Amino acid sequence: AQKVTQAQTEISVVEKEDVTLDCVYETRDTTYYLFWYKQPPSGELVFLIRRNSFDEQNEISGRYSWNFQKSTSSFNFTITASQVVDSAVYFCALSEVNSGYSTLTFGKGTMLLVSP
Amino acid sequence: DAGITQSPRHKVTETGTPVTLRCHQTENHRYMYWYRQDPGHGLRLIHYSYGVKDTDKGEVSDGYSVSRSKTEDFLLTLESATSSQTSVYFCAISEPGGSSYNEQFFGPGTRLTVL
Repeated sequence: AQKVTQAQTEISVVEKEDVTLDCVYETRDTTYYLFWYKQPPSGELVFLIRRNSFDEQNEISGRYSWNFQKSTSSFNFTITASQVVDSAVYFCALSEVNSGYSTLTFGKGTMLLVSP
Repeated sequence: DAGITQSPRHKVTETGTPVTLRCHQTENHRYMYWYRQDPGHGLRLIHYSYGVKDTDKGEVSDGYSVSRSKTEDFLLTLESATSSQTSVYFCAISEPGGSSYNEQFFGPGTRLTVL
């Protein structure tokens, strides 16, 4: 069975600090997808990134970057120069592919609090 | 933003009453999902649908049923609500193929309280 572990329940930083959110996953499949979602205090779930298991290239999008390492089954998320608006719960998720559709297994989330 | 609405957005009900939550999409996506979100558990899959009248159980399906008679609507029913079903319920949609393969988009959520 697939599993996603986000060991950090809560992280508090001061604005402009860099912060890394950890995600470790377990799966028996060779083909899978990894995701990060953001849930701000308003409650909606916002898609941030998707990565497939064949692409280990790190990705950077503005202040956000993702480090995917199959050797350690990790897909970590770094926010550079954090801002108050980054305060949210962040979820890592894993998808296995079944007949063309997928189900997502979520981690329990990491609450990030960025204070001014 | 994906066109997904959920109704009602908030509901308070009593133990033992039936409750139906509706998810409506305007994206014509084939796959639809119902999750519940609880503190300390993240999001857990209740049921999903891979086409009209095609549904399957997820991780926490006990006490829930679903129906999908049209592409755009996915209904979640609690036949006899219990206090353990107090939660925030999210609907999601996805479509296979192309650059968005397996990516799910979520509705705004429904907060359900069972007294």
